Amino acid sequence: GAVVSQHPSRVICKSGTSVKIECRSLDFQATTMFWYRQFPKQSLMLMATSNEGSKATYEQGVEKDKFLINHASLTLSTLTVTSAHPEDSSFYICSATGGPQNQETQYFGPGTRLLVL
Amino acid sequence: RKEVEQDPGPFNVPEGATVAFNCTYSNSASQSFFWYRQDCRKEPKLLMSVYSSGNEDGRFTAQLNRASQYISLLIRDSKLSDSATYLCVVNRGQGNLIFGKGTKLSVKP
Repeated sequence: GAVVSQHPSRVICKSGTSVKIECRSLDFQATTMFWYRQFPKQSLMLMATSNEGSKATYEQGVEKDKFLINHASLTLSTLTVTSAHPEDSSFYICSATGGPQNQETQYFGPGTRLLVL
Repeated sequence: RKEVEQDPGPFNVPEGATVAFNCTYSNSASQSFFWYRQDCRKEPKLLMSVYSSGNEDGRFTAQLNRASQYISLLIRDSKLSDSATYLCVVNRGQGNLIFGKGTKLSVKP
């Protein structure tokens, strides 16, 4: 149990377009979902934390108007990168807590590779 | 100073070798500690939690020293499949995980 999926797995888009990434907990209800970003050879950096039905909490330096997070249900959170630019190219990974093993264990999705041309 | 620091490696070792990774963290209020494994271009996967008493899972042994703010991972009898990047992770509380940059391990035949 405790599977988290992400869609799409990779996306290439033109500069200025918006990209939506979905994160789903497939077999459990996720009380909290987290969005991370990882640049090449860098550590995962937490972007924001979201709870179902409430506004996301963004980390310092992450623009909430650029990275829109919607946590519409206990199994789905979406991250929309608005007006994407080449510097937004990165590996975006979500995680979710609330799984069967431990309420605090974070289960990671497989990630979405975004390339902005 | 980074909140979680690791030697980036790479550690190149032969099969069967024992290898140890170290990690230091700066926030003394950190609540829990983990080692994750990340394969190239994949998401991190939880390897094991780390406790002050030390804990072992097969060939893997993790240790935490709260006084020194130091975490270690020992891998015995390395396998080719152990090749990956090992991430030291600290939980600040409320699910706020801080990841180190990782230590790359390459096990050669």
